[in-house]
Amino acid sequence: QVQLVQSGSELKKSGASVRVSCKSSGYTFSDYPMNWVRQAPGQGLEWMGWINTNTGTPTYAQGFTGRFVFSLDTSVSMAYLQISSLKAEDTAVYYCARDQNVEASAMDVWGQGTTVTVSS
Amino acid sequence: DIQMTQSPSSLSASVGDTVTITCRASQSIRRYLNWYQQKPGKAPKLLIYVASSLQSEVPSRFSGSGSGTDFTLTISSLQPEDFATYYCQQSYNTPWTFGQGTKVEI
Repeated sequence: QVQLVQSGSELKKSGASVRVSCKSSGYTFSDYPMNWVRQAPGQGLEWMGWINTNTGTPTYAQGFTGRFVFSLDTSVSMAYLQISSLKAEDTAVYYCARDQNVEASAMDVWGQGTTVTVSS
Repeated sequence: DIQMTQSPSSLSASVGDTVTITCRASQSIRRYLNWYQQKPGKAPKLLIYVASSLQSEVPSRFSGSGSGTDFTLTISSLQPEDFATYYCQQSYNTPWTFGQGTKVEI
């Protein structure tokens, strides 16, 4: 079945880096763009940007430029989110979400989420 | 950026009730509006896309309507598993933006 499986929870110190992985299965990876969404504790959903899984071209929302990097390994149908120079305010659950790319953009398959906790 | 405003922020309802959640965009987004359901500790789930199209395997008690700036999600005959937080999201212009959420509780 179509699914996205993300890497496990991370506990990091301020200033460190973290990489979250998102493994897709059950569909052709390069046919669907991949979004990244952040949810801070007790807060709503915030779109971070997306990556074209065909070309590898990322697009970042304002506020997610510089320290955030989206990348791919198409040979294993994986998408990655790397965050460098971690800050306490990066503590959140990070989701990858496939864009169904039918009629219009909508995020139809989601990973289970990866909790990143940043401590000082 | 397009601002999405949901109302109410929370509501109390009972099993069997009909519930209506409203989402307003800060400018016209035509029909590029999606609805998601999120339960505690779980990932969001797509319910409705392009304002009124029901996602596969989503029960027909969920329906969406609207265009331009005003949209509605209706849940008919509320079931116990429907108690959750609901988010609207516009896909008219990037950055995609979400409403702040509506928590449906007993």
